Amino acid sequence: AQSVSQHNHHVILSEAASLELGCNYSYGGTVNLFWYVQYPGQHLQLLLKYFSGDPLVKGIKGFEAEFIKSKFSFNLRKPSVQWSDTAEYFCAVKPRDSGYSTLTFGKGTMLLVSP
Amino acid sequence: DTGVSQDPRHKITKRGQNVTFRCDPISEHNRLYWYRQTLGQGPEFLTYFQNEAQLEKSRLLSDRFSAERPKGSFSTLEIQRTEQGDSAMYLCASSLVLAGDNEQFFGPGTRLTVL
Repeated sequence: AQSVSQHNHHVILSEAASLELGCNYSYGGTVNLFWYVQYPGQHLQLLLKYFSGDPLVKGIKGFEAEFIKSKFSFNLRKPSVQWSDTAEYFCAVKPRDSGYSTLTFGKGTMLLVSP
Repeated sequence: DTGVSQDPRHKITKRGQNVTFRCDPISEHNRLYWYRQTLGQGPEFLTYFQNEAQLEKSRLLSDRFSAERPKGSFSTLEIQRTEQGDSAMYLCASSLVLAGDNEQFFGPGTRLTVL
């Protein structure tokens, strides 16, 4: 079975700092990868996704993520965070060769951006 | 609002009682998923439907949990004889599967508290 590990449970940054949230997965086959975000009081929203092709994917609000197959990683980055980026971020994986259409999530990283 | 809706948003019940939650997916979406999220964890997959067919239910937490999607539109998740350990956020998501993979859109969740 697949699993997802997010490196940090909590991250605190000042506005304009750069962000990198780590995500590693374990699965022997091909996967689709996702980052979801949950802003305070709101529901989960898709930030970006990787299915195939260019391993550097760009999402909404200036976020990007890079899939490094050899490292089983899909780290999320943003060059300059804003106070409005305060949220919980979840990495998720879905095997492409599995009959299950389900997502396996990491435990999440709570990001707090101070103004 | 044409997103995924869930009802109720909050439910407080006494141990041993039965509870039922409803999910209305985005109208043209043919897949519907149920997840559970506990504090400090990411969403955990429970079950999913394609139209009215329940394609995976082995991840339901016990035989006290059951889900239906009788007409391929809304779905219900029932927990019988609730226990304190059932206290969690129950999330519903939907997606449109045509060919290849797809994005899951999440609802706001139902927060269950079992006293």
